[in-house]
Amino acid sequence: AQSVTQLDSQVPVFEEAPVELRCNYSSSVSVYLFWYVQYPNQGLQLLLKYLSGSTLVKGINGFEAEFNKSQTSFHLRKPSVHISDTAEYFCAVSDLNQGGKLIFGQGTELSVKP
Amino acid sequence: DAGVTQSPTHLIKTRGQQVTLRCSPKSGHDTVSWYQQALGQGPQFIFQYYEEEERQRGNFPDRFSGHQFPNYSSELNVNALLLGDSALYLCASSSRIRGPSGNTIYFGEGSWLTVV
Repeated sequence: AQSVTQLDSQVPVFEEAPVELRCNYSSSVSVYLFWYVQYPNQGLQLLLKYLSGSTLVKGINGFEAEFNKSQTSFHLRKPSVHISDTAEYFCAVSDLNQGGKLIFGQGTELSVKP
Repeated sequence: DAGVTQSPTHLIKTRGQQVTLRCSPKSGHDTVSWYQQALGQGPQFIFQYYEEEERQRGNFPDRFSGHQFPNYSSELNVNALLLGDSALYLCASSSRIRGPSGNTIYFGEGSWLTVV
């Protein structure tokens, strides 16, 4: 069975500071990895995804993530955050054979303060 | 190009009642999945429909059922509502034809269900 653990439930950070949101996954097979963002009272928007190839993945809004197979991690980073980045962030994994079924972590609330 | 659309956006039901939520997938997508997101939690997979059949199911009781229509739109039905069914219900669409490597899963804005 697959599982996703987001190591921090809340991450407060000041504007223009760097941030890292941590995600570890567990799976016995090869997987695809995703980060989604959810703004208040909205649905999920895809930030970035890792399918194969380069382990450093760049997404929208200046976010990037690095896939580390040996540590089964897929941490999300941004070098300089803005107030508008305040949102809930979800890491998710999908088995290559599962046809799009996503397993989500519990989420990390990013709070950017001025 | 419309994305994934869901209706209604908000609704309130009483315990024991039944509810139907609707979803229209993104243009060109043929697969619809439903997720339940309780307050403060990550979304949980309920089931997935493709070619008008349920293809995969998560750990949800039979009170949760669905349907997919020939135009790929889908309904989620929940019977005998419990207080614990209060959540945001998200619909996601994707395309099996393109395969997982070229696919992006798009989510709707969700339907907020409150059971009182």
